[in-house]
Amino acid sequence: GAVVSQHPSWVICKSGTSVKIECRSLDFQATTMFWYRQFPKQSLMLMATSNEGSKATYEQGVEKDKFLINHASLTLSTLTVTSAHPEDSSFYICSAREGSGPVTEAFFGQGTRLTVV
Amino acid sequence: KQEVTQIPAALSVPEGENLVLNCSFTDSAIYNLQWFRQDPGKGLTSLLLIQSSQREQTSGRLNASLDKSSGRSTLYIAASQPGDSATYLCAVKQAGTALIFGKGTTLSVSS
Repeated sequence: GAVVSQHPSWVICKSGTSVKIECRSLDFQATTMFWYRQFPKQSLMLMATSNEGSKATYEQGVEKDKFLINHASLTLSTLTVTSAHPEDSSFYICSAREGSGPVTEAFFGQGTRLTVV
Repeated sequence: KQEVTQIPAALSVPEGENLVLNCSFTDSAIYNLQWFRQDPGKGLTSLLLIQSSQREQTSGRLNASLDKSSGRSTLYIAASQPGDSATYLCAVKQAGTALIFGKGTTLSVSS
């Protein structure tokens, strides 16, 4: 299957600072990328969907000014957690899909463990 | 709103047993259903993808079935091994949405 690389795999930051997470599709062009958040023993919850060159679509309850998503190229999307607080500590996973067909498979990154202290 | 439920939440079995993980979804209008494996602190590994027109998919010791009309899927693992210990996630794809996940079943296989 296609490879999606997510970086960093883990990060610890101080409360009030910002953290950027990168998601790259290594061997295909990702027209759509998805960002998920997963709390311990919970399911993956979709945060936002981004299409290359356009603004991200955020799920209800997700603050777009806090979680900045940029999908500037077909192989890179970034998620920036601004003014991070301890409650933002979570596991963030990106997913990328080539094409827009409904049956197109999405591939997942390795995830980023964010700890805000 | 689509909801995906996985039962049981946790399962412990001795090595060698065959086992079944269950997934149910409330809205049968899906494009496909996918089973993933997640190791602690890691991302997702896709195991099997079943399109809505298919009834099952097989890969090695894994077999996944789909009954779209009843909103159910099962993941069958044959001859379980300690290396199968992980959390197994079920997810469905609908029109205009990203994958919708269940909470997963955490499997522990003891040697």
